[in-house]
Amino acid sequence: SQTIHQWPATLVQPVGSPLSLECTVEGTSNPNLYWYRQAAGRGLQLLFYSVGIGQISSEVPQNLSASRPQDRQFILSSKKLLLSDSGFYLCAWSAGRVQPQHFGDGTRLSIL
Amino acid sequence: AQSVTQLGSHVSVSEGALVLLRCNYSSSVPPYLFWYVQYPNQGLQLLLKYTSAATLVKGINGFEAEFKKSETSFHLTKPSAHMSDAAEYFCAVLSGNTPLVFGKGTRLSVIA
Repeated sequence: SQTIHQWPATLVQPVGSPLSLECTVEGTSNPNLYWYRQAAGRGLQLLFYSVGIGQISSEVPQNLSASRPQDRQFILSSKKLLLSDSGFYLCAWSAGRVQPQHFGDGTRLSIL
Repeated sequence: AQSVTQLGSHVSVSEGALVLLRCNYSSSVPPYLFWYVQYPNQGLQLLLKYTSAATLVKGINGFEAEFKKSETSFHLTKPSAHMSDAAEYFCAVLSGNTPLVFGKGTRLSVIA
């Protein structure tokens, strides 16, 4: 069966520090991969999605970036975190664009 | 552009009572519709999906939803609420070539 791993579960970072969140999927090949940010009372905001290695689509301009160095690995990065980057970050995968998305357990990021 | 409106950011029901969570969508083409559930500090879990087959869709944990094109609705119901149903519920719509769009969520409280 397919599984998705996301780490770390929680992270506290100072303003201006770099960020790297990692997500990996097991048990499937060539998945679509997604990064979301969830703020309280505002639902899920799609940040990036990828349909293949090296193919990244950005939905919201900001100081975050994403990379897909391997088929089942998706990384969310920032060179300098802002206070507004605080939130709950979720990684998800799907077998295709119209297939249901399956989510990891999320990373709660607090910026001090 | 597609959009989702979830009526009521917070719904409270008594244990054993009917659960009704409302979702209305906007889409210019036949949509795919999904309901997800999120427990505290976890990712989203798929409850059910509508993909243009039967209009009444049965999901996990006794939930079901009915697609009504004339009302552009996809309300989620469960005949009898259980304490374990307390969580946040998200409706989502996918249509055309645009990414999945989530509603802002409805928090369900179940009162003993």
